[in-house]
Amino acid sequence: QQQVKQSPQSLIVQKGGISIINCAYENTAFDYFPWYQQFPGKGPALLIAIRPDVSEKKEGRFTISFNKSAKQFSLHIMDSQPGDSATYFCAASASTGTASKLTFGTGTRLQVTL
Amino acid sequence: KAGVTQTPRYLIKTRGQQVTLSCSPISGHRSVSWYQQTPGQGLQFLFEYFSETQRNKGNFPGRFSGRQFSNSRSEMNVSTLELGDSALYLCASSSLAGYTDTQYFGPGTRLTVL
Repeated sequence: QQQVKQSPQSLIVQKGGISIINCAYENTAFDYFPWYQQFPGKGPALLIAIRPDVSEKKEGRFTISFNKSAKQFSLHIMDSQPGDSATYFCAASASTGTASKLTFGTGTRLQVTL
Repeated sequence: KAGVTQTPRYLIKTRGQQVTLSCSPISGHRSVSWYQQTPGQGLQFLFEYFSETQRNKGNFPGRFSGRQFSNSRSEMNVSTLELGDSALYLCASSSLAGYTDTQYFGPGTRLTVL
């Protein structure tokens, strides 16, 4: 059972544009929502993360918007640059007190064109 | 501070063989998690170790096993390899115990089963 649904599968954005990636989750126990960026041949790298006590978090050009009632969260990349071209994964985990296990979305391949 | 290191980076094995992958976490991190990444299934959680104890396990067959040593270094073993085990195996470490925390990924070990 896929617990985190991510869309779109791929995205092409012009340089300077806004990239938007959406995720939806089912498990109401999830209380930590990170986004990872992965370049070919590399492991995923944490980009930004949010907990459900806030509706938005911004770090530089990257913003997470979180809607707890809809069980949805999204990543916005402002002023997208060619260097942002990578695969982005949303993830979620529950602080059960015993383990930290990330459930990942299926990934979005972002291409930023000149 | 050095990041998560994984060895070897690439492996080629044949069906029926077994393989051992190694992971050294970030200094001071006591939690190590393993993930399998494939184009078809995405990133899937294998297991997590903390203080030499397996705290959580994903939905993988018993052919997949792991362990953690007193210095927090971890190994995972796959016995009786199948073609479908070809994947990028990622190790991630985190610092907090019993609490969701940022997971830092290594570059992965690319396993090819022929």
